[in-house]
Amino acid sequence: AQSVSQHNHHVILSEAASLELGCNYSYGGTVNLFWYVQYPGQHLQLLLKYFSGDPLVKGIKGFEAEFIKSKFSFNLRKPSVQWSDTAEYFCAVNSGGYQKVTFGTGTKLQVIP
Amino acid sequence: KAGVTQTPRYLIKTRGQQVTLSCSPISGHRSVSWYQQTPGQGLQFLFEYFSETQRNKGNFPGRFSGRQFSNSRSEMNVSTLELGDSALYLCASSREGATGELFFGEGSRLTVL
Repeated sequence: AQSVSQHNHHVILSEAASLELGCNYSYGGTVNLFWYVQYPGQHLQLLLKYFSGDPLVKGIKGFEAEFIKSKFSFNLRKPSVQWSDTAEYFCAVNSGGYQKVTFGTGTKLQVIP
Repeated sequence: KAGVTQTPRYLIKTRGQQVTLSCSPISGHRSVSWYQQTPGQGLQFLFEYFSETQRNKGNFPGRFSGRQFSNSRSEMNVSTLELGDSALYLCASSREGATGELFFGEGSRLTVL
């Protein structure tokens, strides 16, 4: 069965600091990779996705993620965080052609002004 | 266009009762998935429906069931409620082919006393 590991459960950063959230998955076949975000009081929404092609993908609000197949990793990055980036971030994996998605346990990011 | 709508948003039940939750997907989305979100377990996949057929099922007991109607609306039912069923139940819809790209509702928060 697939599993997704997020290494940081709670991250606190000051505004303008750089962000990198780690994500590793266990499935060795073809996968689709995602980062979802849940802002306070809002529903879970897609931040960015990787299906194939360029392993460096860009999402909304200046976020990007890099797929490293040899490391089974899909780390999320942002060069300079803002207070509005305070949210919970979930890494997720899908394989098999249907909509069964396996989520990591989430990382709560708190950005201090 | 309208997002995913879940009803009710909040409900309180007692052990042994049963509950039915409803989800209306985004117009044109034929796939509906259900997830259970708890602080300890994160997001756990329950099941996915497409064209009124269950395509995938997670590792939950038979007390958890669902169905999908011809208009793609979906319901999930939990019978013989247990305290551990207290959670946020999320519904997500998706377009055919966009595997893993989910659009979530705001969830139904179930409290079992």
